[in-house]
Amino acid sequence: AAGVIQSPRHLIKEKRETATLKCYPIPRHDTVYWYQQGPGQDPQFLISFYEKMQSDKGSIPDRFSAQQFSDYHSELNMSSLELGDSALYFCASSPSGLAVYNEQFFGPGTRLTVL
Amino acid sequence: DAKTTQPPSMDCAEGRAANLPCNHSTISGNEYVYWYRQIHSQGPQYIIHGLKNNETNEMASLIITEDRKSSTLILPHATLRDTAVYYCIVLLYNFNKFYFGSGTKLNVKP
Repeated sequence: AAGVIQSPRHLIKEKRETATLKCYPIPRHDTVYWYQQGPGQDPQFLISFYEKMQSDKGSIPDRFSAQQFSDYHSELNMSSLELGDSALYFCASSPSGLAVYNEQFFGPGTRLTVL
Repeated sequence: DAKTTQPPSMDCAEGRAANLPCNHSTISGNEYVYWYRQIHSQGPQYIIHGLKNNETNEMASLIITEDRKSSTLILPHATLRDTAVYYCIVLLYNFNKFYFGSGTKLNVKP
C-alpha cells in the first residue's frame, strides 16, 4: 500500500539559511499534518491543512510557513534557521479532517540538521 | 484535550503479553483514546483506538475501564520488534492535532 512520502530524508543547513520540506500524502487523503520531534523529545504538532486550507495551528514558529497545494502535497518552509530547529520533521495524512475518527498515517520523517 | 499519564518504561519478556496502562482521568464523554507507537525515530504508527467498548485488532487489544478514566493496551505475544515508545492520546474525534505525551518505552527482552 502507498505510504506518506517525505523529501528529502536528510537535510543539512547552516544557521540563517532556509529549508523546504515536502510531504506527499497517501492518495485520496485530503488532510496533512506536520510535527517536529527534537532530540530525545516527543513529537510536537506544528500545523495542519484540510482541503488546502489551514485547519489547525500548534507551536509553529513565525519563521516557519506551510501550505497545501492543489494535488494535496504540502511544503513546510523554514527560514532563518537556528540550531534549535535541528529535529525530525514528520508529516502525516488522513482521509478527511472531518472523519469520525482521526487515524493519522505518518511518513518516515525528514531529519534536519542545522550547523 | 485530556491529559494522559503513562509509566516512562516497562519491560516484557518475549512471547509474553505486554500490558501498557494509561490514565486519562479528565477525559470527556466524546473523546476517543488512541494508541500509537514509535520505533526508534521512525514515523509513529497507529495501533488501535476506542471510545467506550473494548477493541481488538490484529495488532493489539484495548481495554477501557467503565468510567473511561483509564485504559490498557495489550500486546498479546510481544516480540523483539515491539520494542518502541507507546503513546496514549486522547482527543475529540474531529480535532486535527495529536498531543503526544511522554509515552512508555517498552523493552521486550529475549
